[in-house]
Amino acid sequence: DTEVTQTPKHLVMGMTNKKSLKCEQHMGHRAMYWYKQKAKKPPELMFVYSYEKLSINESVPSRFSPECPNSSLLNLHLHALQPEDSALYLCASSQISGVSGSAGNTIYFGEGSWLTVV
Amino acid sequence: SQQGEEDPQALSIQEGENATMNCSYKTSINNLQWYRQNSGRGLVHLILIRSNEREKHSGRLRVTLDTSKKSSSLLITASRAADTASYFCATDGAGGTSYGKLTFGQGTILTVHP
Repeated sequence: DTEVTQTPKHLVMGMTNKKSLKCEQHMGHRAMYWYKQKAKKPPELMFVYSYEKLSINESVPSRFSPECPNSSLLNLHLHALQPEDSALYLCASSQISGVSGSAGNTIYFGEGSWLTVV
Repeated sequence: SQQGEEDPQALSIQEGENATMNCSYKTSINNLQWYRQNSGRGLVHLILIRSNEREKHSGRLRVTLDTSKKSSSLLITASRAADTASYFCATDGAGGTSYGKLTFGQGTILTVHP
């Protein structure tokens, strides 16, 4: 069983709705990530937080707004999404060590949140 | 763009047989990780191999890494129906502050028939 917990497991939202995806880990990891995965495709990185600060934003549209309120929690706020944003959203976490950040550490994923935009 | 390329795209075998999946990548790496994903579920971490390692074992899994060829292989021995899943390799790029930015291969869909 994964130690990264994501809620909700399924979310259906309209294009004008505002919703949030939540992620929690209690492994003491200080790096947390959001990935997006479309059907039959590999996951793609969206955001990386390191020590609760946003360190990587992979040119994600502003309708996706990440937030890291503390070292255990990671949120993804959703607003004015498009149907093509429907996907599996995966949260992950890892330790940070060494000069190059979390390089060399196992990254643990949650079960994901299935998002459908109608 | 995806760094990793995996082959085969799909693999169908009988229970008890071995399954080998290959992954190639383009740039220097710190490490390479293999993940399993059951349909509609999250990613389960299988094994991590660092750039200075050549082979690693974990239970029925054997991973090799050839940095000169920029390739890795995952061998699952004595496969079981429960091994049916998609398998992804993911690389963590070398140099600078990579912060664990994983780049995934396209994945191999493994089907093990009872």
